[in-house]
Amino acid sequence: EPEVTQTPSHQVTQMGQEVILRCVPISNHLYFYWYRQILGQKVEFLVSFYNNEISEKSEIFDDQFSVERPDGSNFTLKIRSTKLEDSAMYFCASGGLDEFFGPGTRLTVL
Amino acid sequence: GQQLNQSPQSMFIQEGEDVSMNCTSSSIFNTWLWYKQDPGEGPVLLIALYKAGELTSNGRLTAQFGTTRKDSFLNISASIPSDVGIYFCAGQPGANSGYALNFGKGTSLLVTP
Repeated sequence: EPEVTQTPSHQVTQMGQEVILRCVPISNHLYFYWYRQILGQKVEFLVSFYNNEISEKSEIFDDQFSVERPDGSNFTLKIRSTKLEDSAMYFCASGGLDEFFGPGTRLTVL
Repeated sequence: GQQLNQSPQSMFIQEGEDVSMNCTSSSIFNTWLWYKQDPGEGPVLLIALYKAGELTSNGRLTAQFGTTRKDSFLNISASIPSDVGIYFCAGQPGANSGYALNFGKGTSLLVTP
């Protein structure tokens, strides 16, 4: 059964450093999403991507964040200068009406 | 995003019991989704509902899309230990309002043998 994959599973970085989180969505899906979940809290929407451009973004998704689909399979989330409060699980999802989530990347900012 | 109220916050039940949880919203959604999340993993889609009044089953799970489009419930019948986890509802505005999911805060389910 096709699934969303994410790498790395865990990323530790120093405050102020740039990180890139990678996702491979399910191959025939057209919508791609990033969500985050701070430990013990609910899942929060960051951004959606369709037809090679951002279709929606939340207020969390500020200028420090960017997304890219550099080739036909990968979908990336870049955080330019990480802050302590960026520590969270970051989930990629793909689909449309149904959204299927990847296993997540745990980002720890020290 | 819109605020979803999910209840109960947690449940502690015995194996074999039935479980019910629900979500309400002040806003209309065009799609309701129910997910289960195990610790350290991503949410897994359980049931998707697309029409007001729709009742859908997936094994021992049954979910309904409320007729007002502002609520949904999930029932689990004859619970088993592997049902343990956090269950999230998520509403999707849809169409011109976008596909970003608004999640509830989750219902933590514990099942004792």
